[in-house]
Amino acid sequence: SAVISQKPSRDICQRGTSLTIQCQVDSQVTMMFWYRQQPGQSLTLIATANQGSEATYESGFVIDKFPISRPNLTFSTLTVSNMSPEDSSIYLCSVEVEAGNEQYFGPGTRLTVT
Amino acid sequence: AQKVTQAQTEISVVEKEDVTLDCVYETRDTTYYLFWYKQPPSGELVFLIRRNSFDEQNEISGRYSWNFQKSTSSFNFTITASQVVDSAVYFCALRDNQGGKLIFGQGTELSVKP
Repeated sequence: SAVISQKPSRDICQRGTSLTIQCQVDSQVTMMFWYRQQPGQSLTLIATANQGSEATYESGFVIDKFPISRPNLTFSTLTVSNMSPEDSSIYLCSVEVEAGNEQYFGPGTRLTVT
Repeated sequence: AQKVTQAQTEISVVEKEDVTLDCVYETRDTTYYLFWYKQPPSGELVFLIRRNSFDEQNEISGRYSWNFQKSTSSFNFTITASQVVDSAVYFCALRDNQGGKLIFGQGTELSVKP
């Protein structure tokens, strides 16, 4: 298994500002992902965080809005840029220790944009 | 296209009743992985089970059991003698072999009343 922490756990931000969310894993993992869960909805993948290279974004998500870094095998950040109220969601980081194995999720970051 | 369908949006039962949560998936892959997660009101996503397509044996873990039927593309989850602490949203997910992301169903909100 893997223990994942996220910072911050929640935040209330003003429209037009940016927030960076950190994800830290207690062991080296092959895959790291960032998901968004809008209120009352299911989870949708934003992007796969690739170690040492640019993230791979899903359709509908762009790097300018959601820049991602992954400097090593245990850490990643997701920035939500130029926020609007529509960005109010839970943002979750997940990891897959080895391909095809269990995927574990961090506790999530609850973001409210006013 | 890959897809996961959880047709039951909400289920309400009384404590000690058995309840089954349905999950139907679509994939063209011959090898794939299926998952179930629990999301209690606190919001974190708790891993419950991973099942690979090679193994059609049903699995039991305490009060939880899973019925994987490849012929009907279903991976149903049964809770026996439900308890109030089982109240949560339950998600079924399919792993995308191309990139490792999870494709989630819409979730089933289970309410167990005392």
